[in-house]
Amino acid sequence: SQTIHQWPATLVQPVGSPLSLECTVEGTSNPNLYWYRQAAGRGLQLLFYSVGIGQISSEVPQNLSASRPQDRQFILSSKKLLLSDSGFYLCAWSVQSYEQYFGPGTRLTVT
Amino acid sequence: AQRVTQPEKLLSVFKGAPVELKCNYSYSGSPELFWYVQYSRQRLQLLLRHISRESIKGFTADLNKGETSFHLKKPFAQEEDSAMYYCALSGRDKNKLVFGAGTILRVKS
Repeated sequence: SQTIHQWPATLVQPVGSPLSLECTVEGTSNPNLYWYRQAAGRGLQLLFYSVGIGQISSEVPQNLSASRPQDRQFILSSKKLLLSDSGFYLCAWSVQSYEQYFGPGTRLTVT
Repeated sequence: AQRVTQPEKLLSVFKGAPVELKCNYSYSGSPELFWYVQYSRQRLQLLLRHISRESIKGFTADLNKGETSFHLKKPFAQEEDSAMYYCALSGRDKNKLVFGAGTILRVKS
């Protein structure tokens, strides 16, 4: 069966420090991969998605970037974190656009 | 532009009362609409999609193209329905979904 992992579960980082959040999927090949930020009152905001290795679509201009070095690995990064980057980050995968399967999420607090 | 609006941040009802979670969308083509749900301490998951015309856990949703709405309904709410509900739309780019802001449903005993 398919599973999706995200780590770390929680992270506290100072402003200006780098960030790397990792997401991996098991049990499926060539999935679409997604990074979302979930904020209270603003819902689920799509940040990046990828339909294949090295293919990244950015949805909103921001301080973050994404990479897909392997078929089932999706990484969210930042060179210098801002306070506004705090939030709950969700990774998801799909093989058909409508049914997306979500990971457990990472709570990021930038201090 | 594609947009999904869920006007209620919080909906509180008593157990056994009817529930209607509102969702309106903006899209010029023929969209596919979905409801996702996140129960406490669980992952976000698909609840139902309009093309299936199915009832899941007693919930139904009908796509009304004239009113551009996809409201989620249940005739008798149960305490275990308490959760965050997101309406989502798939439009021109079938690779991605546009989510609404979400509605917290609280069912009181």
